[in-house]
Amino acid sequence: AQKITQTQPGMFVQEKEAVTLDCTYDTSDPSYGLFWYKQPSSGEMIFLIYQGSYDQQNATEGRYSLNFQKARKSANLVISASQLGDSAMYFCAMREGKDSGYSTLTFGKGTMLLVSP
Amino acid sequence: EPEVTQTPSHQVTQMGQEVILRCVPISNHLYFYWYRQILGQKVEFLVSFYNNEISEKSEIFDDQFSVERPDGSNFTLKIRSTKLEDSAMYFCASNRGDTDTQYFGPGTRLTVL
Repeated sequence: AQKITQTQPGMFVQEKEAVTLDCTYDTSDPSYGLFWYKQPSSGEMIFLIYQGSYDQQNATEGRYSLNFQKARKSANLVISASQLGDSAMYFCAMREGKDSGYSTLTFGKGTMLLVSP
Repeated sequence: EPEVTQTPSHQVTQMGQEVILRCVPISNHLYFYWYRQILGQKVEFLVSFYNNEISEKSEIFDDQFSVERPDGSNFTLKIRSTKLEDSAMYFCASNRGDTDTQYFGPGTRLTVL
């Protein structure tokens, strides 16, 4: 079974609108972390936002927020007020088992977001 | 703002040759990683490294791969005898011990001919 599932291969949004990128995860570990990374066409991986399994509040970072629904095992990324520069591939990733220190990340297949003027 | 750096940005090699990919993690980070991304596919974990030894490795990380921290700043990935299927983007990442957010370098695109 896939540990991270991103069901949207591609998403389109108009500039200034909000968009939600879906991510569901599968783990039996009570301690885990969820991450979103952005990969523009230049190829680098840019960290966007993190949510720990024990965090009570949904994580927010500027225009990015993470809609964390633990019972449903979903960690959707919400981008408010989309900008042309948001056009990129977005990856959801999970860290299992350890609260901190070293941890391997398991990635989903990604969602390509295209923002149109 | 400190960042992870990687050299070279692009490496072209012949099948069977050895390659060394170099990374300089963020200076106060303790944990180091290599990941790879075959074109159009998801990012896959290769190996993690802490305190001068491998902490964990994936099935991909076979005897053809090795990692080393030769000095206080560099972290290298060596592929002894490259295969066509090693063509991919290789990312180095690092994190501090008190948080597990991993910061990635810009990647090295390896092309094996």
